[in-house]
Amino acid sequence: EPEVTQTPSHQVTQMGQEVILRCVPISNHLYFYWYRQILGQKVEFLVSFYNNEISEKSEIFDDQFSVERPDGSNFTLKIRSTKLEDSAMYFCASRVGRTVYGYTFGSGTRLTVV
Amino acid sequence: GENVEQHPSTLSVQEGDSAVIKCTYSDSASNYFPWYKQELGKGPQLIIDIRSNVGEKKDQRIAVTLNKTAKHFSLHITETQPEDSAVYFCAAPYNNNDMRFGAGTRLTVKP
Repeated sequence: EPEVTQTPSHQVTQMGQEVILRCVPISNHLYFYWYRQILGQKVEFLVSFYNNEISEKSEIFDDQFSVERPDGSNFTLKIRSTKLEDSAMYFCASRVGRTVYGYTFGSGTRLTVV
Repeated sequence: GENVEQHPSTLSVQEGDSAVIKCTYSDSASNYFPWYKQELGKGPQLIIDIRSNVGEKKDQRIAVTLNKTAKHFSLHITETQPEDSAVYFCAAPYNNNDMRFGAGTRLTVKP
């Protein structure tokens, strides 16, 4: 079964450093997402991406965050200057069509900011 | 925007008993309601979903019911097993684009 692949599974970084989280969505999917889950809390929407541009972003997704699809397969989330409160699980998701059906999540990257 | 409330936050049942988790949503235009199971260290996995044109959907031991008038939907797990222990999230679409999640229910099935 097709999967959304995320790397690395765990990233530890120092406060103030830049991190890039990587995702390979399912190949025929057109809509891409990043979600965040702080330990023990709900999954929160960060940003959606379609046709090489951001289609929607939440209030969490401030100027420290950016997304990119640098080639035909990768979808990245960059945090420019990490803060302690950025520590969380980050999930990439993708779906194929214009409806919301068929969301598939990756297994996540645990980001720890020290 | 869509606001999803989920109850209870924790649920403990004996193996073989049933478990019910409930969610309410705010946007009457929402038409798709998935349930996700999240095991430790993994991403949310879709286990069942329902579209607004039906009131109930069943898949073996799992069922989801939807009441559009009251704007709530529920997950029912029958004959629970220890491997059902996980965190379960309901969700509803926002702007027909992204998903808004409930706060999650930690289900523990005691053998």
